[in-house]
Amino acid sequence: DAGVTQTPRHEVAEKGQTIILKCEPVSGHNDLFWYRQTKIQGLELLSYFRSKSLMEDGGAFKDRFKAEMLNSSFSTLKIQPTEPKDSAVYLCASSPGQSAETLYFGSGTRLTVL
Amino acid sequence: GDSVTQTEGQVALSEEDFLTIHCNYSASGYPALFWYVQYPGEGPQFLFRASRDKEKGSSRGFEATYDKGTTSFHLRKASVQESDSAVYYCALGDYQGGRALIFGTGTTVSVSP
Repeated sequence: DAGVTQTPRHEVAEKGQTIILKCEPVSGHNDLFWYRQTKIQGLELLSYFRSKSLMEDGGAFKDRFKAEMLNSSFSTLKIQPTEPKDSAVYLCASSPGQSAETLYFGSGTRLTVL
Repeated sequence: GDSVTQTEGQVALSEEDFLTIHCNYSASGYPALFWYVQYPGEGPQFLFRASRDKEKGSSRGFEATYDKGTTSFHLRKASVQESDSAVYYCALGDYQGGRALIFGTGTTVSVSP
């Protein structure tokens, strides 16, 4: 079975650019999550969708970060405009939804903002 | 709000050493507790969970016991191997409340042969 697919694996952006990261969850999973990973903060929640409805978003990320579920098998995370402090690994995860705890993560997108 | 604290940022061990990673949580409800492991170049993987006081979760030789009294879920392994080198995350979850998992800051474990 295909796991969670994230593209691209690496992204380099200039400050002020708009970037879009993509995620395909495990087929049939109802829950989708976006997390940001840094060494200092660990894993921070950006957005959580259940059956395409937004359940929760990370309050600190609302202004320049927007995640969308375009359909049940595709999600995007847009960062606009990017800032150097956004440099991090962005992880997408999905879950069957019956019990939200077992998350299946993709390998992540490493974003570098110059 | 709810939170998870991992005391150790980095742990360096030799093979066959005993591993302990401390995890304490703060939550208003009765959350489920989890450990995830992340190997280089990959996303975190579910290791195990516990959802009741005194319940023990275990997998691959790792174990942790849910302790509501001390609000802890410490990860232990009796004899580590070089292949256990990874980042370990403690997390808490509130599925009934429709909340996403809250993760700790992670502990990097390095095991030398």
